[in-house]
Amino acid sequence: DADVTQTPRNRITKTGKRIMLECSQTKGHDRMYWYRQDPGLGLRLIYYSFDVKDINKGEISDGYSVSRQAQAKFSLSLESAIPNQTALYFCATSDDRGDKRYNEQFFGPGTRLTVL
Amino acid sequence: GQQLNQSPQSMFIQEGEDVSMNCTSSSIFNTWLWYKQEPGEGPVLLIALYKAGELTSNGRLTAQFGITRKDSFLNISASIPSDVGIYFCAGGNTGGFKTIFGAGTRLFVKA
Repeated sequence: DADVTQTPRNRITKTGKRIMLECSQTKGHDRMYWYRQDPGLGLRLIYYSFDVKDINKGEISDGYSVSRQAQAKFSLSLESAIPNQTALYFCATSDDRGDKRYNEQFFGPGTRLTVL
Repeated sequence: GQQLNQSPQSMFIQEGEDVSMNCTSSSIFNTWLWYKQEPGEGPVLLIALYKAGELTSNGRLTAQFGITRKDSFLNISASIPSDVGIYFCAGGNTGGFKTIFGAGTRLFVKA
């Protein structure tokens, strides 16, 4: 079984709809992240969480919200989807225990979201 | 804000050739990482570098952490078709909450 799973893998929705993307991990990591990937732009950080009670905005948080329901679960919501939120969305985790290994992130398979 | 310039954007090579790609920044990083992304999948960590000047290998892959802390390169020797994908560099700092990713190098390998 995959260590980091994302649901759904693909989603097509309409402008104005509320969408939730879910992420679960079995790696036992405290840190979780949501990224957005657009062609030619690499990965941009939307939100990150270092533990259940810690949520922080990333580079491009406008139009998004998150919820850390448990150590293993981190969901991303688009309150009112718009077409320029069409992208690939990735969840990632990293270990919080010592050294600099918290920079080593493990990614889920991604969710391809299309907003019409 | 911090940005990474990754080059080349894409490479078309013949199987068996060696490949070199690099990443530069105007800012200093404490950690450099290289990831590979295949179609339909998330990025997978290939190599992590923690010290300026460090040279690390992973099979046919070799990466170096630049002395200035502002750059890194990745070499792939004797490329094979399964090397196809997008290679991302990433720079990390103390705290780990602001890892910056490059735009990626798309590698095509012709058999």
